[in-house]
Amino acid sequence: EPEVTQTPSHQVTQMGQEVILRCVPISNHLYFYWYRQILGQKVEFLVSFYNNEISEKSEIFDDQFSVERPDGSNFTLKIRSTKLEDSAMYFCASSLRGPGDTQYFGPGTRLTVL
Amino acid sequence: KQEVTQIPAALSVPEGENLVLNCSFTDSAIYNLQWFRQDPGKGLTSLLLIQSSQREQTSGRLNASLDKSSGRSTLYIAASQPGDSATYLCAVKGDNDMRFGAGTRLTVKP
Repeated sequence: EPEVTQTPSHQVTQMGQEVILRCVPISNHLYFYWYRQILGQKVEFLVSFYNNEISEKSEIFDDQFSVERPDGSNFTLKIRSTKLEDSAMYFCASSLRGPGDTQYFGPGTRLTVL
Repeated sequence: KQEVTQIPAALSVPEGENLVLNCSFTDSAIYNLQWFRQDPGKGLTSLLLIQSSQREQTSGRLNASLDKSSGRSTLYIAASQPGDSATYLCAVKGDNDMRFGAGTRLTVKP
């Protein structure tokens, strides 16, 4: 069964460094998403992406964040200058037809900012 | 701003019992509601998606209902099994984002 994959599973970085989290969505899906979950807190929506453009973003997704689909298979989340509070589990998801469709989540990348 | 609440926060039941998990939301202007399962340290697995025009969805031993006007959804699990132990999240899709509840941590004891 097709699944969303994410790399790395765990990333440790120093405050102020740039990180890129990578995702491979399900191959025929057209809509892509990033979420985060700070330890012990709710899952939070960050951004949705369709047709090489951001379609929706939350107030969390500020200028420090960017997303890109650099090729036909990868979808990335970049954090330009990491802060301690960026430490969280980051989930990528994809859906076939759009935000109203079932979203399939990857296993997550645990980001630890020291 | 949409707020999603799940009650109870934790639930422990003996194997074989039927159970109901609750989800409430404050803004009835939603596109859909999705129930997920999250195992410790893992990603989210989609269980059921209910569109705003629907009243319920069923998959195997799971049944989810939606009452948009009252801002409520329930997830019914029949004949619970130890393998059902996980955290169950509901998420509401609105205009600009998807809002999650904090989840119900379910333990099914053999």
